[in-house]
Amino acid sequence: KQEVTQIPAALSVPEGENLVLNCSFTDSAIYNLQWFRQDPGKGLTSLLLIQSSQREQTSGRLNASLDKSSGRSTLYIAASQPGDSATYLCAVRRYGGSQGNLIFGKGTKLSVKP
Amino acid sequence: EPEVTQTPSHQVTQMGQEVILRCVPISNHLYFYWYRQILGQKVEFLVSFYNNEISEKSEIFDDQFSVERPDGSNFTLKIRSTKLEDSAMYFCASSEELNEQFFGPGTRLTVL
Repeated sequence: KQEVTQIPAALSVPEGENLVLNCSFTDSAIYNLQWFRQDPGKGLTSLLLIQSSQREQTSGRLNASLDKSSGRSTLYIAASQPGDSATYLCAVRRYGGSQGNLIFGKGTKLSVKP
Repeated sequence: EPEVTQTPSHQVTQMGQEVILRCVPISNHLYFYWYRQILGQKVEFLVSFYNNEISEKSEIFDDQFSVERPDGSNFTLKIRSTKLEDSAMYFCASSEELNEQFFGPGTRLTVL
């Protein structure tokens, strides 16, 4: 059974710092991996999607990497800003699922201090 | 930019009552999903829907739950007889293909 773990559970950094959020999954047979941002009491905003054949994806100050064989993904945030404060969720879509439901980690709660 | 919308934003109901949560997926998307998130816990998959039928469902999605696409734009989740443990945030999502899923803002369901 696929399990997704995110470390650390919470992270507090000063503004301007570069940071890395980690995601690991137990079954490497994934179709793709998606990173989301969730603000308190709000929905999920898709940040990046990495296909299983890709190694990384970039969007602005965000860079996500995928090492499928070791079951790991990282989300790199450059030059963090207070507006980046949110919970970041990692989710994998398993390979071979009929319509590909996502399996989520519990998230990393990021706080960027001005 | 197209987005998934959900109504209501907050629903309060008595235990044993039926509730219907509504979603309008992105218009050209073909795959639709419901997830839920109990406070402080992971987002959990409930059901996926494609070509007017359920394509996959989780253990959570028992006989008390049903989904429907009553017209060309709406996608609904019905809970027939709500329990206290159904209290959660319910998210609708859609995708064009089996790729990036886009989520709505959620409906907070409170069962008293």
